Amino acid sequence: GAVVSQHPSWVICKSGTSVKIECRSLDFQATTMFWYRQFPKQSLMLMATSNEGSKATYEQGVEKDKFLINHASLTLSTLTVTSAHPEDSSFYICSADHRDRGLYGYTFGSGTRLTVV
Amino acid sequence: AQTVTQSQPEMSVQEAETVTLSCTYDTSESDYYLFWYKQPPSRQMILVIRQEAYKQQNATENRFSVNFQKAAKSFSLKISDSQLGDAAMYFCAYRSVQGAQKLVFGQGTRLTINP
Repeated sequence: GAVVSQHPSWVICKSGTSVKIECRSLDFQATTMFWYRQFPKQSLMLMATSNEGSKATYEQGVEKDKFLINHASLTLSTLTVTSAHPEDSSFYICSADHRDRGLYGYTFGSGTRLTVV
Repeated sequence: AQTVTQSQPEMSVQEAETVTLSCTYDTSESDYYLFWYKQPPSRQMILVIRQEAYKQQNATENRFSVNFQKAAKSFSLKISDSQLGDAAMYFCAYRSVQGAQKLVFGQGTRLTINP
């Protein structure tokens, strides 16, 4: 089946530093990748949608300069949290659209728990 | 914009019993997809079941089935013969067929299985 590998699974960083999260589609081409943020006991909040080779589309209220998304290839999308602060601590999840395979579902990465100290 | 509402923050059921999780949605579109996702303590999102709006027949996947009422914009999930491994957060989600094909999630329902 379709697999999305997300790394790292958890990361602790100091305030003011940047952190990069990677999502790779292992056995399919992910034309579109979605990035979500999830606070404890809450639902997934869509942050942005990235399409291979083009700029990401950010949801209202999401700072595009803080959350840099790159989707340079059909198998790799990255989210960089720049100048991280404690309020950026959260669980980040990516999801790939594999409709190119004739399916209409999504495959999710395993998530990254970010803690900013 | 589409919205998805799960009115039950928490539900519990005895092992081997049946439980139904509710989901309603609001849309002006006639064609769309609906999903139920499970998020266990590992936080990995797992697709449970999906439904295409143009199909009248309710989707079924083993012990999981849905009651899709298009006119009422309702999409409930029934879990039969509940097992301890079913304990998780369950999210209902909506996706448009055209345009922005992002998933719109409900608030989630935490399901507890009592042994």
